[in-house]
Amino acid sequence: GAGVSQSPRYKVAKRGQDVALRCDPISGHVSLFWYQQALGQGPEFLTYFQNEAQLDKSGLPSDRFFAERPEGSVSTLKIQRTQQEDSAVYLCASSSRLAGGSAKNNEQFFGPGTRLTVL
Amino acid sequence: DAKTTQPTSMDCAEGRAANLPCNHSTISGNEYVYWYRQIHSQGPQYIIHGLKNNETNEMASLIITEDRKSSTLILPHATLRDTAVYYCIVHGSGNTGKLIFGQGTTLQVKP
Repeated sequence: GAGVSQSPRYKVAKRGQDVALRCDPISGHVSLFWYQQALGQGPEFLTYFQNEAQLDKSGLPSDRFFAERPEGSVSTLKIQRTQQEDSAVYLCASSSRLAGGSAKNNEQFFGPGTRLTVL
Repeated sequence: DAKTTQPTSMDCAEGRAANLPCNHSTISGNEYVYWYRQIHSQGPQYIIHGLKNNETNEMASLIITEDRKSSTLILPHATLRDTAVYYCIVHGSGNTGKLIFGQGTTLQVKP
């Protein structure tokens, strides 16, 4: 089956514009994660969904960032009034592990990411 | 989750074994050691994980010391396509499963 897909792959936005980034996880995966990766850095956690419930949004840097997964499959990360410091690669990952479960089976499958450049 | 320490960069000759170390001296009993790698312009890719026993799969081997305070990822016959950033992550149970990445080790495989 297909892996995790993300769209668009590249997005250029003018400062102040709103953007929406899409993630299609592996079919049947209950868990979905968003990460932000600045240039030269490791990915940093943004938010986590189990099915349609957003169980952890502790990594969202400001209230301009909003994520949803209304039907428990596709997810959208929205950034309002983009700023230059939002420029980064946004990665989506999915897994079959439930929150609170064993760490024995936490293999996450990542998409290719969306590279956002804010001018 | 416990913190990990990895060298910033390493070189390896093509065809030779690449041994990537990771220190995790504060690891607790129920935490697993996971390894991911990220090839340029791609998302991270899972490699292998283990608790206390050594593990091997088609990609790599993972050697965990008896006190579990450090581990080594071994790529037995490195190829140019193994050039990537390798992340060692310690991860426990009972949480959302979010991964905490450090800076990783940039492995350069040279011909």
